[in-house]
Amino acid sequence: SQQGEEDPQALSIQEGENATMNCSYKTSINNLQWYRQNSGRGLVHLILIRSNEREKHSGRLRVTLDTSKKSSSLLITASRAADTASYFCATTPTGTASKLTFGTGTRLQVTL
Amino acid sequence: EAGVAQSPRYKIIEKRQSVAFWCNPISGHATLYWYQQILGQGPKLLIQFQNNGVVDDSQLPKDRFSAERLKGVDSTLKIQPAKLEDSAVYLCASRFGTSYTGELFFGEGSRLTVL
Repeated sequence: SQQGEEDPQALSIQEGENATMNCSYKTSINNLQWYRQNSGRGLVHLILIRSNEREKHSGRLRVTLDTSKKSSSLLITASRAADTASYFCATTPTGTASKLTFGTGTRLQVTL
Repeated sequence: EAGVAQSPRYKIIEKRQSVAFWCNPISGHATLYWYQQILGQGPKLLIQFQNNGVVDDSQLPKDRFSAERLKGVDSTLKIQPAKLEDSAVYLCASRFGTSYTGELFFGEGSRLTVL
C-alpha cells in the first residue's frame, strides 16, 4: 500500500522557474525523505527531514514538514532541464524497523 | 565506492515461466530491500532483510515470490510462476545501518516483461 500521495501528479515548467511538489501521508512518522528518479533509472536520495524538524535546505532544494497536517513539500528553485525526473516522497512510519514506504510520485518536466 | 549491482537489467518471459533477479548491495550495508515498481507508480516494498534475516515481507505474494539473502550479502528474488501483472521493474536497495535514519541506495533495477 502507498503511504504517501504526491500532488500534482505531473508538473511542467520552464527553466529558471521554481517547482513545488507536495506529499501527504497517513500515519505518524520518524522521518520523511525525498528521492528523484530519472527515466529508466534507479532512485537517488535527495534529502531527509526528521519528524522534529520543520524545514531543511540542500543547495537548490527546500523541504518543509508539517506533522500536524501530515504533509511535506519539496521546492526546487531555479529549475534546470536536468531536473526533469519523477520525484517521490518516502516515509518511515513510527514503530517500524527502518521500513521505507514510497508515495505515488510527481513527474516534473522542465523545458528550455 | 561501487553502487548496488543488479542483474539482469531486462528480462522477457512467458506467463507461468519462472525468473530470478540478483542483487549485490554496497559492501557493509546491513539492510537490503526489494521493491516492485509498476509503470507510473511509486515503488512498493516486497521484502526487507537485516543481515540475512527477514524484517518485513508482508507485501510479498508468497505463493509465487520468494527471496533469500545469502550470508547477509547478495540476494535473489524469484518469481514462479509469473503472471502478466508481475510486469514491472524490480528495484534492489541497501542501507548502511539497521536504524530508521539514513538514505537508501538503489540499483538500476531489473525490468520484467511477462507476455
